[in-house]
Order: sequence, then C-alpha cells, then structure tokens
Amino acid sequence: NAGVTQTPKFRVLKTGQSMTLLCAQDMNHEYMYWYRQDPGMGLRLIHYSVGEGTTAKGEVPDGYNVSRLKKQNFLLGLESAAPSQTSVYFCASSYTRLDQPQHFGDGTRLSIL
Amino acid sequence: GIQVEQSPPDLILQEGANSTLRCNFSDSVNNLQWFHQNPWGQLINLFYIPSGTKQNGRLSATTVATERYSLLYISSSQTTDSGVYFCAVISNFGNEKLTFGTGTRLTIIP
Repeated sequence: NAGVTQTPKFRVLKTGQSMTLLCAQDMNHEYMYWYRQDPGMGLRLIHYSVGEGTTAKGEVPDGYNVSRLKKQNFLLGLESAAPSQTSVYFCASSYTRLDQPQHFGDGTRLSIL
Repeated sequence: GIQVEQSPPDLILQEGANSTLRCNFSDSVNNLQWFHQNPWGQLINLFYIPSGTKQNGRLSATTVATERYSLLYISSSQTTDSGVYFCAVISNFGNEKLTFGTGTRLTIIP
C-alpha cells in the first residue's frame, strides 16, 4: 500500500519556468491538500480539494493552480516560478475533513533560481 | 484565524530522558493532530486527539479542549525520536482547514 506518493522528489527551476507537481493516493480518500513548508515554519495550506472535480483556495494560493480530474490525483502547477516559491511542498489526503487524520507524502523539494 | 503556539521551540535531551511538549490554541477546536517530522523530512501522524488522552507505546497525548491546550509526552527518549513535532488544529469557527504550529525541534543525544 503506497499511501500518498509525490513526484518529483527534487526539482530546480529557473525564474519564469513552469512545472507541475503530481500527488497520487491509493486510499480512496475524498479530500486532498497541498501545503508548503518554509524553513523554521509549520505547514501552510496552498489549495485543497473536497472531491473529484473540485478545488478551493487555502491560506497562500497566489502563484499556484491546481486540478483534481481524477479522485486519486491532485496536481499543483506553477505557471511562472518565482524565487519566493522555493520551498518544500507536501501533499496530504484524508477520508473526511474532520473525522480522520491526514496522511502525508514525503515531500517535493523545489528550488527556484 | 486561530493561533497555534508550541513550546518549547527547541529541546535537547539525553537518551532515556522524558519530555513534555505543549500546544496552546486560541479558539475551540474539533480536530487536533500531532505530527512528527523526522530528519529526512517525512511527516508522520502520531495522534488524532481533539479531546481526552491516547497512548501509543512510549508516546502519549492529552488534550484539554476546555482549556485550549494539548500535551505530547515522550518517555524513555531514543535517538530516533529526534525531529520536529507539530501540533495542528481545525477551529470550530474558522474555515475548517488544518492550521499548524511552528513546531518543537527535539534533539536526542546518545
């Protein structure tokens, strides 16, 4: 049972480039989330999804877009990367929002030069 | 939004020692979780504990929801316990999103 899988694990981009981070979960969870973690800080929610075909903004959504075309996948896109987006990105999923703990992927370390 | 404060920010202990980590939150909550982020960056869910007490091996947690705090106890610390411990909550009156504290960095010395 893989749980939550993020790809890629590491990436270096130049300012202005675009890329997509992929999150896949095999637990049939309805809810999926994208967080970023900056040095010395806790995680901050970027976007989340409460089911296939739905997305919603979190705490720090600017500069990111997301899509949930399939229940098991949640994609995070950076259209024009900026150095301020250098961070570690975590994907998480949960069966329901309030009743169940969130399960996290191993993270994607992204550097923008 | 809800504020989540963790203390202490840093803790260095000898192997075998016991420790208590605290999480204070500014509003009533319906979801509280403790996570361990290991030195490799992986986040592991330790407890889902909006109220009451739970135990799992050497770890236990207590949440006193009426007084807006939670405690994580680690007994007989091992070097593998090193890492950052995060508390995260969902407020009863907010936007139902998980808000993380800034963490407690625990270092266990052999």
